[in-house]
Amino acid sequence: GESVGLHLPTLSVQEGDNSIINCAYSNSASDYFIWYKQESGKGPQFIIDIRSNMDKRQGQRVTVLLNKTVKHLSLQIAATQPGDSAVYFCAENANTGNQFYFGTGTSLTVIP
Amino acid sequence: DSGVTQTPKHLITATGQRVTLRCSPRSGDLSVYWYQQSLDQGLQFLIQYYNGEERAKGNILERFSAQQFPDLHSELNLSSLELGDSALYFCASSVGGLAGEETQYFGPGTRLLVL
Repeated sequence: GESVGLHLPTLSVQEGDNSIINCAYSNSASDYFIWYKQESGKGPQFIIDIRSNMDKRQGQRVTVLLNKTVKHLSLQIAATQPGDSAVYFCAENANTGNQFYFGTGTSLTVIP
Repeated sequence: DSGVTQTPKHLITATGQRVTLRCSPRSGDLSVYWYQQSLDQGLQFLIQYYNGEERAKGNILERFSAQQFPDLHSELNLSSLELGDSALYFCASSVGGLAGEETQYFGPGTRLLVL
């Protein structure tokens, strides 16, 4: 039969602009979250993580914001570069079942 | 480079066959996780091993099995392959056994194509 691919949300940004990628998580008991970047043909690469006792965490050019009230996670990338073009996943662990649950991802395209 | 290695990089086989995928975790990591990533399912957790013992099971089919050896490398065995098993298979590793508390580092994956 016909195969249907995932319809990823897409985001296109101009090089140098800031990017914001959003993720709605499902379980209010989730207490650890990770953002991964996956380039075409490669494995997911760890970017940044945050625990539920924090609202914000910053890394190099990236910031993760956690809003537990609305179960929302965002990844901000400052001064986006062509090398940032990839699919970005958020992962949550509800601390039950001992596993991570991954979102479907957002495809980021940086326009030079 | 995450430090997690996987072989082979690509695998093409026929329906009904059996294949083995191999993973070596990062130095010092005791847990190995296997994931399947297909076009219509996203990244799905299959199974976790910690220090040689099965720790957690996800959406792993009965046709699939895994093991972790004393040197901590792991193998994922896929048997009676079907067309729908075509996917990317990733291995990840973490330091300890608490999947919910630790960062998982992913390998480059094995692309399996079943014809």
